[in-house]
Amino acid sequence: KQEVTQIPAALSVPEGENLVLNCSFTDSAIYNLQWFRQDPGKGLTSLLLIQSSQREQTSGRLNASLDKSSGRSTLYIAASQPGDSATYLCAASYGGATNKLIFGTGTLLAVQP
Amino acid sequence: DAMVIQNPRYQVTQFGKPVTLSCSQTLNHNVMYWYQQKSSQAPKLLFHYYDKDFNNEADTPDNFQSRRPNTSFCFLDIRSPGLGDAAMYLCATSRDGLAEETQYFGPGTRLLVL
Repeated sequence: KQEVTQIPAALSVPEGENLVLNCSFTDSAIYNLQWFRQDPGKGLTSLLLIQSSQREQTSGRLNASLDKSSGRSTLYIAASQPGDSATYLCAASYGGATNKLIFGTGTLLAVQP
Repeated sequence: DAMVIQNPRYQVTQFGKPVTLSCSQTLNHNVMYWYQQKSSQAPKLLFHYYDKDFNNEADTPDNFQSRRPNTSFCFLDIRSPGLGDAAMYLCATSRDGLAEETQYFGPGTRLLVL
């Protein structure tokens, strides 16, 4: 069964700290891994998409890595800011006719000013 | 500029009373998805359309139906909502449903069943 797990479920850090969010997936035959941000009561905003042939992707203060062999992805946030406070979800795509995303339950991040 | 629009943002319905949620897109994408996200849970795919072709997930209850009258619009119909159907419903699109494509999500509709 294809499952995605995110640990920790919640994280609180002081402003300015660098942090890492973790995502693991049971089936390593993924096509890509996508990280999303979800603000309270809102939809999902795509942050980064890593293809299976890539090892990492960067956008501003965000860096996402992918290690298929170990079934893991990390999202690194540098110099965190209160505006980064949100839930971060990772989702694995296994392609196919559906290209269904298998989501983790997310990590709730709180950056304290 | 809004690309995936969902209406209403909040919907309250009564137990057993049919309800319809709406999604529209300005991206001219071929694929539209409906996900259900219950409180503190991961979003779960209900079904998707590739153009007019409807694809239902095996474990999606029969209570959930969908319509796509044209490229821009897609509707989620819940025929007889139960208390367990209270959730955030997320609409998403992608150009051709290929694995290398990003899925674009709308803001969601939060459904409350009384």
